[in-house]
Parts: sequence; structure tokens; C-alpha cells
Amino acid sequence: DIQMTQYPSSLSASVGDRVTITCQASQDIRNYLNWFQQKPGKAPKLLIYDASNLETGVPSRFSGSGSGTDFTLTISSLQPEDIATYYCQQYDNFPPFTFGPGTKVDIK
Amino acid sequence: EVLLVESGGGLVQPGRSLRLSCAASGFNFRTYEMNWVRQAPGKGLEWISYISSSGSTIYYADSVRGRFTISRDNAKNLLYLQMNSLSAEDTAVYYCARGGTVAGIDYWGQGTLVTVSS
Repeated sequence: DIQMTQYPSSLSASVGDRVTITCQASQDIRNYLNWFQQKPGKAPKLLIYDASNLETGVPSRFSGSGSGTDFTLTISSLQPEDIATYYCQQYDNFPPFTFGPGTKVDIK
Repeated sequence: EVLLVESGGGLVQPGRSLRLSCAASGFNFRTYEMNWVRQAPGKGLEWISYISSSGSTIYYADSVRGRFTISRDNAKNLLYLQMNSLSAEDTAVYYCARGGTVAGIDYWGQGTLVTVSS
């Protein structure tokens, strides 16, 4: 099975800061990676698909990049409503779908 | 609008069974792969089962294989998860989620909480 790691596990940043979250796969997954945002008590929401494509309706301050084993999610200017936990998920080698352990983002 | 609405969760004793349902609307259900994903309290996301659009291909995570059964009724736009031999480790919010091998998971339901406790 492909293992997904994320770092940092949590971060605290100020409003307006640029925030970067890294996701690493244990083997090449090409660009078959999604990023999800999960706010407390809510279901996950798709932000980025195929590693770098912004889902419809998602603010343009979110962006994704990477391929192979190394991926990043960037929030160009952190907003209060971005407080959430962010998960990456691979779908190249299935089953299983594998999620990263999550990165919790809050405001400093 | 894509909607996935889970139901059937609740408090159940260890060793007992429970069946979850997921009602789909706003898209052509019969053409989409579907999944169940769970999240234990304070923990991350764990994929547990997949079913192809026709129902002919099914996969399970090792943690539930042999105890859980996924199925679907394309005529009624319903996805199911039959859960047997439940234990405390199965306590989680259970989400149905659309998507699969082509583009990963995209839409999620709101989740239903299953609590296994005596």
C-alpha cells in the first residue's frame, strides 16, 4: 500500500501569511492526488484535484503543485475562514485510497 | 446540486450489527463509483470500502474485510454499508463519498455517527 505523509502536522500563522503544506507519497503516484479541507464538525471538501487543478468555487488563494512523490498545497494569503484541517489523498494505486494524516491550520 | 445524505447511525452494543444508508441526488448515481470513509473521534480519514458503478467490483480495507458489506441499489439511488461484529474500534463518523479510480473522491455526505459501546 502507498503511504502518505504530511508536514507539518499543525501550524499557526497570521492572517495574510503565505502557508505551505507538504504531502509525500511512499512511491510515484504521478499527479493522482487530491487535497481536502475539513472544518470542525463538517465533512471534507475538495479543494484541489489532480494535484494542481482548483475545484470550481474554491478561492484562488488556494493552489496545488507537484507530481511523483512530492506535493504542496499553498494558501497565498491566509484568511480566518481557512482555519481547518487539510488532507491529501492519493488515487493512483487503489485499493486502498490513502489519506495523509492531516495538517491542522490555525490563526496565530 | 450533488447531495449525499447518510442515515442509520447510532449507539450499538459490541458484537451487534448496523446498516448505514446513503441517499444520492443531483447526479446520475448509476454511473459513479462510491465509497465509505470513516473518521474516528479526533482522528484522520480512513477509507474503508469501494463499489464500482455497476456493483460488480468491491474492495474493503483490511480493518473491515469480512465484517462489513457494501452494496448499492441504482434504481433507488442508494448506497449501503452493512456492518457486523462491531467493536469499539469501529466508533466513528461514517461518510459516503462519490468518486473512485478515475478522479479520486470529490463529494462527501455530512456523515453519520456510529458509537459502539455497552
